Amino acid sequence: KQEVTQIPAALSVPEGENLVLNCSFTDSAIYNLQWFRQDPGKGLTSLLLIQSSQREQTSGRLNASLDKSSGRSTLYIAASQPGDSATYLCAHYGGSQGNLIFGKGTKLSVKP
Amino acid sequence: DAGITQSPRYKITETGRQVTLMCHQTWSHSYMFWYRQDLGHGLRLIYYSAAADITDKGEVPDGYVVSRSKTENFPLTLESATRSQTSVYFCASTDRVSVTEAFFGQGTRLTVV
Repeated sequence: KQEVTQIPAALSVPEGENLVLNCSFTDSAIYNLQWFRQDPGKGLTSLLLIQSSQREQTSGRLNASLDKSSGRSTLYIAASQPGDSATYLCAHYGGSQGNLIFGKGTKLSVKP
Repeated sequence: DAGITQSPRYKITETGRQVTLMCHQTWSHSYMFWYRQDLGHGLRLIYYSAAADITDKGEVPDGYVVSRSKTENFPLTLESATRSQTSVYFCASTDRVSVTEAFFGQGTRLTVV
C-alpha cells in the first residue's frame, strides 16, 4: 500500500526562522508531488507542484525539493511569518484512479 | 467566478435523510474527485470521475452515490445519512492526472445528528 508520511505532526517556531517540513513516500515511481496549505476551516490551497523530472520548485519564500530515489520531499520556508501558520500537506499521484495520496500534514505555528 | 465551488458550506442533517453536496468547476477539467477529511485518517478518496458519464469508486465509497452528466458538475449524494458520515467533504479537479496541479474547493462541513 502506498503511504505518505509527514514528520513532525506539529511544529512551533519563532517568527523569522527558516524551517523545513518533511514528506516521505513509499512509491519511488511517483509522477509528481504537490504541496498544499490548509488554514483552519478552509480548503486546500496548492503551493507547489514538482514534476518527477524536476529536483526542486520555488515560489517566493517557499522552496520544495524532490528526491525520488530516497522517497523524500522537503518544503523549505524562509523567514517564517505568523501568516505562515497553517497545516501543510504533501501528496502525490499514485492511486490506480489517478487520485492524490496524502500525508496527514504538519501543523505549523509561527509565533510573533 | 473562476475556480471550484462547493455548496453548501455547512449542513446539518438527520440520520436516514438523503443529502446532496454540490461541486462546480469552471475550468472544464476532465477529472473530478470527492474526498472526505477526518481526524486521524487524513484525506480519503470517495469517488472520482475521469469525464462526463465516467465515474468510479475510491477508497471509501459505501453509502455514497455520484453522477456527472456535465463536465463542470460533480454532485455527491449520501443516500441515507449515518453519523459516521459526519465529516468535511472536499471536491477537487485537475486537467491531466499525474501532470497538472489539483485544485480543491473550500469544503462542506457535514454533521449528521
